[in-house]
Amino acid sequence: QVQLVESGGGVVQPGGSLRLSCAASGFTFSSYALHWVRRAPGKGLEWVAVISYDGSNKYYAASVKGRFTISRDNSKNTLYLQLSSLRAEDTAVYYCARAYCSGPTCYSPQHWGQGTLVTVSS
Amino acid sequence: QTVVTQEPSFSVSPGGTVTLTCGLSSGSVSTSYYPSWYQQTPGQAPRTLIYITNSRSSGVPDRFSGSILGNKAALTITGAQADDESTYYCVLYMGSGIWVFGGGTKLTVL
Repeated sequence: QVQLVESGGGVVQPGGSLRLSCAASGFTFSSYALHWVRRAPGKGLEWVAVISYDGSNKYYAASVKGRFTISRDNSKNTLYLQLSSLRAEDTAVYYCARAYCSGPTCYSPQHWGQGTLVTVSS
Repeated sequence: QTVVTQEPSFSVSPGGTVTLTCGLSSGSVSTSYYPSWYQQTPGQAPRTLIYITNSRSSGVPDRFSGSILGNKAALTITGAQADDESTYYCVLYMGSGIWVFGGGTKLTVL
């Protein structure tokens, strides 16, 4: 079955950087787009970024564009999110999610990992 | 900037039917927004209920259904149960690769 396991979360100072990873198994990793979604304490879900199956297309929420970078290594079945210039409001649980795909077209998140907590604090 | 709107809270009696909606601050939701619905309880990862408007995710009971009602996407729960008490989120495709979640609806079953 589809499994997604996030790692790399922790406590980081404002202005700092962190790289999150998402190890995938149970499906053909290189055939699916992948999303990052976060949930800040006391807030709702926020879509962060998506990357196409081959990494050629990447899209970001306005709140993170220019600070976060999504990438993938299809040889390692791993998705990444590089977080830079971190702010207190980036504190959240970060989830990776596999998209629902029909043929070459992928859509919204469908299968979810358990998340990893990022805390931005001095 | 267009905002995705959901009712902040809703209440339903056990065994009752409730319809949660997902709209836009400007404009109408259609199937071209590929609405999806998720359930999240505290401390848990989101669970996908419905994707691309009305496709039910594997293992989701058929008392959960998705549709377009008027100018909004809708999630209908028939025969509500106590463990349906949760927060429900919709997400819409806004074009140019961008997805936006609604603020969520906290459903109480009592």
